[in-house]
Amino acid sequence: DAGITQSPRYKITETGRQVTLMCHQTWSHSYMFWYRQDLGHGLRLIYYSAAADITDKGEVPDGYVVSRSKTENFPLTLESATRSQTSVYFCASTSGVSTDTQYFGPGTRLTVL
Amino acid sequence: RKEVEQDPGPFNVPEGATVAFNCTYSNSASQSFFWYRQDCRKEPKLLMSVYSSGNEDGRFTAQLNRASQYISLLIRDSKLSDSATYLCVVNRNDMRFGAGTRLTVKP
Repeated sequence: DAGITQSPRYKITETGRQVTLMCHQTWSHSYMFWYRQDLGHGLRLIYYSAAADITDKGEVPDGYVVSRSKTENFPLTLESATRSQTSVYFCASTSGVSTDTQYFGPGTRLTVL
Repeated sequence: RKEVEQDPGPFNVPEGATVAFNCTYSNSASQSFFWYRQDCRKEPKLLMSVYSSGNEDGRFTAQLNRASQYISLLIRDSKLSDSATYLCVVNRNDMRFGAGTRLTVKP
């Protein structure tokens, strides 16, 4: 029972590079979400997706791009990484409507030098 | 002003103590409410949903006051394993997380 997985778990990159964080869930959940977690801010929603090929912006979408060609995958791309994007990134999914309980992946710790 | 505010703590309590966390939210249109638990360097996990009538799950009791836009979590008979950060979550069209309250239970 893999649930929801993220890769890589740790990533160090340089300013200006493109980085893609992967998220995969085995439950066939409709909704998927990307959050970032920074000290003092809690988790903030970057993007979410209600179904394959349907994505929408969250609270802090600038500098990020998402796609969802398959229900089980929801990659997050930083097109040109900046130091301010150093953070812990969590992917989550839920089976029902967006207000249902969310299940989180283990997180990706990204450092941008 | 943040949409969801929590006292960051830390709360340091002895085993067996009762501890209460509070959370306030600013958007009166919020529809559903949760407490999540997050262990150090781990992902958040649902602790319990919060209902208008209040709800209890073992040693944990959650309450919601819509008029005051206030949510609380009470932990009775604290265990060492309760040490974690507790996140208040408020949902209208998307989930809004508080920054969390850190709890350390000591022997």
